[in-house]
Amino acid sequence: AQSVTQLGSHVSVSEGALVLLRCNYSSSVPPYLFWYVQYPNQGLQLLLKYTSAATLVKGINGFEAEFKKSETSFHLTKPSAHMSDAAEYFCAVGSGTYKYIFGTGTRLKVLA
Amino acid sequence: NAGVTQTPKFQVLKTGQSMTLQCAQDMNHEYMSWYRQDPGMGLRLIHYSVGAGITDQGEVPNGYNVSRSTTEDFPLRLLSAAPSQTSVYFCASMGQGNTGELFFGEGSRLTVL
Repeated sequence: AQSVTQLGSHVSVSEGALVLLRCNYSSSVPPYLFWYVQYPNQGLQLLLKYTSAATLVKGINGFEAEFKKSETSFHLTKPSAHMSDAAEYFCAVGSGTYKYIFGTGTRLKVLA
Repeated sequence: NAGVTQTPKFQVLKTGQSMTLQCAQDMNHEYMSWYRQDPGMGLRLIHYSVGAGITDQGEVPNGYNVSRSTTEDFPLRLLSAAPSQTSVYFCASMGQGNTGELFFGEGSRLTVL
C-alpha cells in the first residue's frame, strides 16, 4: 500500500525567504512522486514530478524537489518566496496502478 | 482550451435526494477519475476509469456510482445523498502512458442538508 504524509498543514514564510514543504512517502514499489498546487477556488495543477530519472526535479515557478530514497522523502523547495506562491500544495504518490494517493495538503502563506 | 469541465459548480441537496455530477474532457484522455476534497483530509480517490466501458473503485467508493460510455464523459452519481457526502468534488483526466500528470477541473461544491 502507498501513503503520503505531509508535515505541517500550514506554513508561513516571509517574502524572499526559503520555502520548504515536507513530504514523506511509503511505497512497496519504486514510486512516482508528484507535487501539485491549488490556488483558491481552482483545481490542482502539476508543479513537478519524479519518475525515477534525476533525483533533483525542477518544476514550474522556480520550485524543485529532491527524491531521497534513504529518507523516503520528496520535499519541495523554492529559494525565494513570492507573494504569488501563496496556495495549497499537495504531495502525491503513484506506482503505475492508476491510483494516485494525495497527502493532506500544506497551505503556504507568504508574509510581506 | 476547455480541458476538463465540471458541472454544476455548486449544488445543495437534501438528504436522500439523488444527483449526477458531470465531467467532460476534450483532450482525448483515456484515464478519468473523481476525487473528493475535505478539510484536513486532502484528496481521496472515489472511482476511476482507464477507458470507455472500464471503471474501478478508489479509496472511498461507497455511495457513489460511475459509468464511462464515451471517452469524453465520466459522470458521478449519488443515488441517495447523505450529509457525509458534503464535499468539493474534482474530476481529473490523464493522457496516455500513465504519466501521473492529472488535469483537474475547477471542482463542484456539494452541500447535503
